[in-house]
Amino acid sequence: DAGVIQSPRHEVTEMGQEVTLRCKPISGHDYLFWYRQTMMRGLELLIYFNNNVPIDDSGMPEDRFSAKMPNASFSTLKIQPSEPRDSAVYFCASSLIGGRDSLKANEQFFGPGTRLTVL
Amino acid sequence: DAKTTQPPSMDCAEGRAANLPCNHSTISGNEYVYWYRQIHSQGPQYIIHGLKNNETNEMASLIITEDRKSSTLILPHATLRDTAVYYCIVSRRGSNYKLTFGKGTLLTVNP
Repeated sequence: DAGVIQSPRHEVTEMGQEVTLRCKPISGHDYLFWYRQTMMRGLELLIYFNNNVPIDDSGMPEDRFSAKMPNASFSTLKIQPSEPRDSAVYFCASSLIGGRDSLKANEQFFGPGTRLTVL
Repeated sequence: DAKTTQPPSMDCAEGRAANLPCNHSTISGNEYVYWYRQIHSQGPQYIIHGLKNNETNEMASLIITEDRKSSTLILPHATLRDTAVYYCIVSRRGSNYKLTFGKGTLLTVNP
């Protein structure tokens, strides 16, 4: 398996523009997570999905952020409009909780991240 | 989820064992201890987890005290590639769980 795939790897945009980050989880995983990492705040969980359904979005900073998971192999995190304070590295991770291998349950596999710079 | 306390940084000589401590005095009975690490510019990587027994895998060993209020991650023969931020996280397993990352410990392995 190729692991969690994120695109783009780097994104530079101007304030006010819409930004869409994409994630392809590991095939067969039933949980998907979006994190944001900054020097000031560290690694923060934004939202997570179970079987394509959002479970907890309490970490989403404000209404400018939205996330969707239209199917088991694709998720997006959208920022509209973007602001300079949104500059960060955004990670997507996936996990298998419902599998038979309970020892592997809860292990989250992270993608390489998208480095977002908002000018 | 219970909070964890880790030293901000540690040094280790290459080839020696690295022992990374973590305090989690408010851990509850159904919470596990997880360790992840993040090498510079990469996403975090799972290392190991445990409930109350000591655990070992190909990457590391996890020693949990009998009262479960603290644990130690052991990298038996540290290499330069082990230089990373190591996160100790306490969380429940199963559904409706999430991992809360703190500041972690920056382990620097020196040649």
